[in-house]
Amino acid sequence: AQKITQTQPGMFVQEKEAVTLDCTYDTSDQSYGLFWYKQPSSGEMIFLIYQGSYDEQNATEGRYSLNFQKARKSANLVISASQLGDSAMYFCAMREGLLRNQFYFGTGTSLTVIP
Amino acid sequence: NAGVTQTPKFRVLKTGQSMTLLCAQDMNHEYMYWYRQDPGMGLRLIHYSVGEGTTAKGEVPDGYNVSRLKKQNFLLGLESAAPSQTSVYFCASNPPGAYEQYFGPGTRLTVT
Repeated sequence: AQKITQTQPGMFVQEKEAVTLDCTYDTSDQSYGLFWYKQPSSGEMIFLIYQGSYDEQNATEGRYSLNFQKARKSANLVISASQLGDSAMYFCAMREGLLRNQFYFGTGTSLTVIP
Repeated sequence: NAGVTQTPKFRVLKTGQSMTLLCAQDMNHEYMYWYRQDPGMGLRLIHYSVGEGTTAKGEVPDGYNVSRLKKQNFLLGLESAAPSQTSVYFCASNPPGAYEQYFGPGTRLTVT
């Protein structure tokens, strides 16, 4: 079974609008971490946001927020006020267990911001 | 402070040739990782290390070997390259307890 599932291969959003990128995960661990990374066309991986499994509040970092629904095993990324520079691939990832170092990435969502 | 660097940036190999990819970090991080990224597959963990002299297998270790002789360097070796190993390879590092991984710029490898 896939550890991380991103079901939206491509998304479009109008500039200044908000967009939600979906991510579901599969783990039997109680302790885990969820991440989102951005990969622009230049290829580098840029860390955006982190949510721990025990964090009760949804994580926020500037225009990024993570909508964490533990019972549904979902960790959707919300980008508010989209900008042209947000056009990129977005990857959801999970780290299982506090002491393990196994990271799992989803297949990514390509976001295009339309002016 | 260069962060995480990877050498080389591009490489073309013939089937059966060997090569070593070098990852270096100057942040004194304990943990280092090698990933491969294929179209439509996201990143997959090949091997990782939790400290100097230690290595462990990730999700897709077959066909690769690694070594961590110095804390700042993590080497990925291909003993006999195959076309299936054509990919973009990323190195990453982080200190213990940190959740963010710092990624290198990637190495694009083509095996013909």
